[in-house]
Amino acid sequence: GDSVTQMEGPVTLSEEACLTINCTYTATGYPSLFWYVQYPGEGLQLLLKATKADDKGSNKGFEATYRKETTSFHLEKGSVQVSDSAVYFCALSDREAAGNKLTFGGGTRVLVKP
Amino acid sequence: ETGVTQSPTHLIKTRGQQVTLRCSSQSGHNTVSWYQQALGQGPQFIFQYYREEENGRGNFPPRFSGLQFPNYSSELNVNALELDDSALYLCASSSITDTQYFGPGTRLTVL
Repeated sequence: GDSVTQMEGPVTLSEEACLTINCTYTATGYPSLFWYVQYPGEGLQLLLKATKADDKGSNKGFEATYRKETTSFHLEKGSVQVSDSAVYFCALSDREAAGNKLTFGGGTRVLVKP
Repeated sequence: ETGVTQSPTHLIKTRGQQVTLRCSSQSGHNTVSWYQQALGQGPQFIFQYYREEENGRGNFPPRFSGLQFPNYSSELNVNALELDDSALYLCASSSITDTQYFGPGTRLTVL
């Protein structure tokens, strides 16, 4: 079945440092890929998405490129802020399956210190 | 445009009781999906409703059931609550093939 593996946290950074969160996936079909972010005590917010190979999703300074050859969708940001402290989830939606259910990774907690 | 809303925000129940959680979908969306997020883990798919019919189910027992109404709002019902049902329950709405947008969740505690 489908699965998503992402690096375990917590990841602790200083403000203005570079962030990379690795994400790899296994899917029987041809999935769409997503990054969601969860701030403390809140639900999930869509951060970015990509629907086909070599697509780059971007939002709020974050980027991720859909790499079919390595089945990866790593999240990057060049200069983090304290407000980026949150839990980040990589997810896939297999378009060959019924509906568009999401399969999530376990989440990576990021803590940015001033 | 109104986003996805869920009620209640928090809920405390005891083992064996039944609970109903509610979700109002975003305007223009006809699909609602429910997820369970245990503490420190990623969300797990429970089931999805499309135009009032169940359209896929994850690995959850039959005591987890749902409904979708003509206005596309939805309910999640859990019978015979167990301690392991304690979690954040997330509702997401979408068009059937499009990106899912999540509500703030309902925190359920089973004592």
